[in-house]
Amino acid sequence: GDSVTQMEGPVTLSEEAFLTINCTYTATGYPSLFWYVQYPGEGLQLLLKATKADDKGSNKGFEATYRKETTSFHLEKGSVQVSDSAVYFCALPGAQKLVFGQGTRLTINP
Amino acid sequence: KAGVTQTPRYLIKTRGQQVTLSCSPISGHRSVSWYQQTPGQGLQFLFEYFSETQRNKGNFPGRFSGRQFSNSRSEMNVSTLELGDSALYLCASSLDAAKNIQYFGAGTRLSVL
Repeated sequence: GDSVTQMEGPVTLSEEAFLTINCTYTATGYPSLFWYVQYPGEGLQLLLKATKADDKGSNKGFEATYRKETTSFHLEKGSVQVSDSAVYFCALPGAQKLVFGQGTRLTINP
Repeated sequence: KAGVTQTPRYLIKTRGQQVTLSCSPISGHRSVSWYQQTPGQGLQFLFEYFSETQRNKGNFPGRFSGRQFSNSRSEMNVSTLELGDSALYLCASSLDAAKNIQYFGAGTRLSVL
């Protein structure tokens, strides 16, 4: 079945550091891919998406490129801020549902 | 446009009791999905409803059930609560979960004592 694997967390960085959170997937065909973010005490918000191979999704300084050769969708940001502290989930659509990775908790220290 | 609304935000129950959680989707959305979030298991899919019909169900025992009303509002029920049911329950709405982006509510935090 479809699955998503994210890098182990938690991740702790200093403000203005470069961020990469790895995500790889297993799926039939070429599904859309998503990154969701969950801020403390809140539900999930869609951060960015890509609908086909080589697409780059971007939002709030975050980027992710859909790489079908490596079945990856790594999340990157050039300079993180304290306000980026949250849990990040990579996901792909299954049959009327989302299949999520295990989530990566990110903490940014000032 | 109002977002997905889940009520209540917090619940405390004891083992053996039952609980009902409510979700009001974004206006015009006909699909409602439910997910359970725990530290150990992460985000797990419970079920999805579209136009009052359950189209998909995750791997949860029969104690977990749901329904959707004609106005697309949805409820999920957990009977005979167990300690392991303590979790954040998230509802997501979509025009159609099979094809469109899902938008999440803030969740209901259930604690079973």
